[in-house]
Amino acid sequence: AQRVTQPEKLLSVFKGAPVELKCNYSYSGSPELFWYVQYSRQRLQLLLRHISRESIKGFTADLNKGETSFHLKKPFAQEEDSAMYYCASTGTASKLTFGTGTRLQVTL
Amino acid sequence: GAGVSQTPSNKVTEKGKYVELRCDPISGHTALYWYRQSLGQGPEFLIYFQGTGAADDSGLPNDRFFAVRPEGSVSTLKIQRTERGDSAVYLCASSPVGGLYNEQFFGPGTRLTVL
Repeated sequence: AQRVTQPEKLLSVFKGAPVELKCNYSYSGSPELFWYVQYSRQRLQLLLRHISRESIKGFTADLNKGETSFHLKKPFAQEEDSAMYYCASTGTASKLTFGTGTRLQVTL
Repeated sequence: GAGVSQTPSNKVTEKGKYVELRCDPISGHTALYWYRQSLGQGPEFLIYFQGTGAADDSGLPNDRFFAVRPEGSVSTLKIQRTERGDSAVYLCASSPVGGLYNEQFFGPGTRLTVL
């Protein structure tokens, strides 16, 4: 079965510091990987997906098939980045398999 | 435009009762998904509709859970003989079409509490 692992429940960084939210997946095929974000009192929304190769709000994520990872990175954290981040994947079906999430806390 | 809406936002019920949770997807979206999120966990897939039919119901935990989408738009998740373990936030999402690569747009969720 597919599995997505986010090892950190909480990541606390200072404003302006680099951010890396870790995500590992287990799937023998070629999954599509996503990062979803949930800001305080808002609904879950897509941040970025691997296939688009895009940078959203300064965040990027690179798929490393050798390490089966899709870590989310940003060079300089901002206060408004504080949120809950979920890594997710699809395999052969369009349902999403989510990790348990990492809460990013950006402090001054 | 209007996003995915879910009603009610909160539902408190007693063990053994029947509940219905409603999802209104974005107009024109043919794919609709239900997820369940327990405290401290990520959303967990329940069922996926493509149009009116359930394309994948592999996530429904047991036969107390059932979902319908009779006209290919609004969907209702039905839970019979609720148990305390059913307490969670139930999320609905929709997508223009199904598929591996498409963004899913989520609703605000229904928080179900079973006493």
